Amino acid sequence: NAGVMQNPRHLVRRRGQEARLRCSPMKGHSHVYWYRQLPEEGLKFMVYLQKENIIDESGMPKERFSAEFPKEGPSILRIQQVVRGDSAAYFCASSLTDSNTEAFFGQGTRLTVV
Amino acid sequence: KQEVTQIPAALSVPEGENLVLNCSFTDSAIYNLQWFRQDPGKGLTSLLLIQSSQREQTSGRLNASLDKSSGRSTLYIAASQPGDSATYLCAVPSNDYKLSFGAGTTVTVRA
Repeated sequence: NAGVMQNPRHLVRRRGQEARLRCSPMKGHSHVYWYRQLPEEGLKFMVYLQKENIIDESGMPKERFSAEFPKEGPSILRIQQVVRGDSAAYFCASSLTDSNTEAFFGQGTRLTVV
Repeated sequence: KQEVTQIPAALSVPEGENLVLNCSFTDSAIYNLQWFRQDPGKGLTSLLLIQSSQREQTSGRLNASLDKSSGRSTLYIAASQPGDSATYLCAVPSNDYKLSFGAGTTVTVRA
């Protein structure tokens, strides 16, 4: 049973470009969460999705950031018109249920904006 | 808002010594508490999940205790090895699913 798969592992974008980060949850998991880890800071919640639904996006910046988890395929975190401050490690986690359950994390995507 | 604090921020011990990592949280109304390990440039590996009704959880050389009323958890690692060198994170859900993380304790085990 493969774990949470994220790709790419490393992504370099120039300012103003778009970044697309992908996450495939563990088999059987339908709950996906995105977290961001800024340099020298702890992990911060961004968004919680179930298939085809955004449940909680309270941690996501209002502009330039969007997330989806389509019926088929991986969850996508999309950052438009990236700026240097977007450089961070983005982690995806999945869980079996939405309540009181263990979260499993992927290896992360390290985004560098130059 | 749930605040999670981990002390110390860094710890260096000789191989074989026991490790004690502390985590405190401000809102004791938690469902569970999870300990993770993060290696440099890598993802998070789940170590232990303690339910709010439990006092401790054990896995191999790892033992985690939970005192919900005082808002504290402690991770013990027995007979440390150089391979235990990593950053250890504790996390609690601020609601059913939204994890609040501590800043972590970076452990170095010297051979």
